[in-house]
Amino acid sequence: NAGVTQTPKFRVLKTGQSMTLLCAQDMNHEYMYWYRQDPGMGLRLIHYSVGEGTTAKGEVPDGYNVSRLKKQNFLLGLESAAPSQTSVYFCASSEKGGGYNEQFFGPGTRLTVL
Amino acid sequence: GQNIDQPTEMTATEGAIVQINCTYQTSGFNGLFWYQQHAGEAPTFLSYNVLDGLEEKGRFSSFLSRSKGYSYLLLKELQMKDSASYLCAVIDSNYQLIWGAGTKLIIKP
Repeated sequence: NAGVTQTPKFRVLKTGQSMTLLCAQDMNHEYMYWYRQDPGMGLRLIHYSVGEGTTAKGEVPDGYNVSRLKKQNFLLGLESAAPSQTSVYFCASSEKGGGYNEQFFGPGTRLTVL
Repeated sequence: GQNIDQPTEMTATEGAIVQINCTYQTSGFNGLFWYQQHAGEAPTFLSYNVLDGLEEKGRFSSFLSRSKGYSYLLLKELQMKDSASYLCAVIDSNYQLIWGAGTKLIIKP
């Protein structure tokens, strides 16, 4: 089992460019999440999904869009990148939501916007 | 607002014991997680507490006091590989995870 995988691992964009980050999980988890992690701050939830075909906004959704067309994949899109979106992006999945919902994380994507 | 406080950085000696504290003020409480994150890597699950008391798992233990909004992670017999950031996260009343900024633990020989 690969667990949670993310592509690409690194990316450099110019302001205004667009890109899509791909997350895939092979654990048949219902819930999937996109976070960003910035120095000195906790993980912040961008968007999440509670099942195939569903998405919901998290704490910092502006400037991002997501899609979950297949249960195992969760895509994060940046339509017009800004320097403020320079960050490390983590995808995570969990079997379910609610109380005990251990999240399994992918290795992260390091994005720099110039 | 919701807030989770952890020390930014701690230093300890190999073989010793260290306690990493976490205090939280959240809208509701449905459990608390501790995760470990080595530099440049993904967070990995360490422990989960939902009831008051101590949960022990090998060299790591986690304690929770819901009335005080307080938890700690206790690491015994420290090893160099324990050098990492330790993240505290609380599940709020909406079942969302609220994350602390993490505590960077430096282990010295």
